[in-house]
Amino acid sequence: NAGVTQTPKFQVLKTGQSMTLQCAQDMNHEYMSWYRQDPGMGLRLIHYSVGAGITDQGEVPNGYNVSRSTTEDFPLRLLSAAPSQTSVYFCASRPNRSGNTIYFGEGSWLTVV
Amino acid sequence: AQTVTQSQPEMSVQEAETVTLSCTYDTSESDYYLFWYKQPPSRQMILVIRQEAYKQQNATENRFSVNFQKAAKSFSLKISDSQLGDAAMYFCAYRSSGNTGNQFYFGTGTSLTVIP
Repeated sequence: NAGVTQTPKFQVLKTGQSMTLQCAQDMNHEYMSWYRQDPGMGLRLIHYSVGAGITDQGEVPNGYNVSRSTTEDFPLRLLSAAPSQTSVYFCASRPNRSGNTIYFGEGSWLTVV
Repeated sequence: AQTVTQSQPEMSVQEAETVTLSCTYDTSESDYYLFWYKQPPSRQMILVIRQEAYKQQNATENRFSVNFQKAAKSFSLKISDSQLGDAAMYFCAYRSSGNTGNQFYFGTGTSLTVIP
């Protein structure tokens, strides 16, 4: 049981480039989320999904896209990277709506220059 | 949206001593869940303790306990017999138990240093 796996762990992008952060979980969890963590701002929710084929916006969705074609995978796409998207990104999952324990990935460090 | 406030950006404690981290939250709901997460330098988020708002009894997990004051909307974390491995960033989090309970709301974190 690997839990929540994020790739890559580190990435440097140039402004305007696009990329995808991958997230996979092997716990058959319904709920998956993407957060970004910035100094002094804690964790902010970008997008989340309550099941395959269903996604919704969180607190800071602009500049990001997600899709959920399978229960296991929840990739986060940066369409045109901007320096303001320099952050640490966390993917998370939990079993279902009533599940209270979030399982986090190890984080992805993204720098946009 | 609910807000979670951690007013102590940094705290320090001597090894083997006790430290309390503060958290307040704002909500109009009566039933919800509160959490403390630990984020060590490895950056992985680890659940420390959770509290159901309908339970009056404060949650305890080994050396970690909470002081939950529902009327005051306060949820502090007490770490007893602090160890070097407790050094980390600690986040307080809130989740609704109702139909809007899809999101966790996090505070800005408290960085805890443990002094040998």
